[in-house]
Amino acid sequence: GAVVSQHPSWVICKSGTSVKIECRSLDFQATTMFWYRQFPKQSLMLMATSNEGSKATYEQGVEKDKFLINHASLTLSTLTVTSAHPEDSSFYICSASNPPVNTEAFFGQGTRLTVV
Amino acid sequence: QKEVEQNSGPLSVPEGAIASLNCTYSDRGSQSFFWYRQYSGKSPELIMSIYSNGDKEDGRFTAQLNKASQYVSLLIRDSQPSDSATYLCAVNPHTDKLIFGTGTRLQVFP
Repeated sequence: GAVVSQHPSWVICKSGTSVKIECRSLDFQATTMFWYRQFPKQSLMLMATSNEGSKATYEQGVEKDKFLINHASLTLSTLTVTSAHPEDSSFYICSASNPPVNTEAFFGQGTRLTVV
Repeated sequence: QKEVEQNSGPLSVPEGAIASLNCTYSDRGSQSFFWYRQYSGKSPELIMSIYSNGDKEDGRFTAQLNKASQYVSLLIRDSQPSDSATYLCAVNPHTDKLIFGTGTRLQVFP
């Protein structure tokens, strides 16, 4: 299957600072990537769809000015959590698919964000 | 009605038994169906994909799809304690976005 790499795997930051998370497709080009958030013992929540070369599409209730998404190349999407607060502490996961070769989603390893 | 529904569990089965996980979906036009396994603190990993009605077997795993009933299931034979995880059903309603269920937590006890 396709390989998606996410970095960093964990990060601790102070309240009010910004954190950037990278998602790379290593062996295929991904015109679309997806960003999810998962709180403990809860399901995956889709935050936004990242489109290469255009603006991201955000799900209802997700603040686009707080969660900045950039998809400048076919292999890299970044999520920046701006002015992070403790309530932003969560597990952030990206995914990408490789249609028409693969329609399933391949996930990055996830990033555990802790805001103190 | 949720787009993809799963029983949250936990589903507890003894080691060596068959675990049966179920999922229903609302979009009748959905074409692609997936089962993911997620261990605590880890990201989901793909277990099975199925696209046409019937059964698809891969090792100890069998996915079953019934489009008329809008139902997809995952059977795990000879369950092992290492199978204990949350199993996520995902459906592609002919868009590039997967819709996930909330997951079923499986516990396999020795």
